[in-house]
Amino acid sequence: DTAVSQTPKYLVTQMGNDKSIKCEQNLGHDTMYWYKQDSKKFLKIMFSYNNKELIINETVPNRFSPKSPDKAHLNLHINSLELGDSAVYFCASSQTENTEAFFGQGTRLTVV
Amino acid sequence: KQEVTQIPAALSVPEGENLVLNCSFTDSAIYNLQWFRQDPGKGLTSLLLIQSSQREQTSGRLNASLDKSSGRSTLYIAASQPGDSATYLCAVTTSGTYKYIFGTGTRLKVLA
Repeated sequence: DTAVSQTPKYLVTQMGNDKSIKCEQNLGHDTMYWYKQDSKKFLKIMFSYNNKELIINETVPNRFSPKSPDKAHLNLHINSLELGDSAVYFCASSQTENTEAFFGQGTRLTVV
Repeated sequence: KQEVTQIPAALSVPEGENLVLNCSFTDSAIYNLQWFRQDPGKGLTSLLLIQSSQREQTSGRLNASLDKSSGRSTLYIAASQPGDSATYLCAVTTSGTYKYIFGTGTRLKVLA
């Protein structure tokens, strides 16, 4: 049973479209994250949520809107997609801040 | 501002060798340090978590050490195998920040 699962795994879309990525964790964790891995494989935090509340928005354009309907889910909606949004997006969770983090398999987003 | 660096960026070794991967961080006030591996096109797999009060952690052929005062961690892999080929990432977290800051990664290739 997958601990942190993201869908879809691959997403190819045209510039200007709106898309969503879903994330679910079955570990009972309180804290969830979205990370972006760029073409150079560098991982950078985008958002952190704790108990459904936004804790961190790391200077992400407001075209990106995370939503946490409950503690087990953190979805990412992206409006007006741009070429530069192409990357791999990872969802992660941890019991609380500063505890072991578990990552999903990633969503490879390609904007054409 | 915390910065995490990993050296070397890439490493090729023959099977059976013991090897050391390095991770350094600029702000020693970390809470945890976590080592991950990432296989091509895959998500991150947690290997070891070292809390700031610990000096080392071991799991099978892996041993991670932490020297907070000097801002360094090492991941020691004993008797390397081709299946160890992957990118290894270290990440640190600081109390109250709700984020892991990742290093640049070391791409390891173990030759059969």
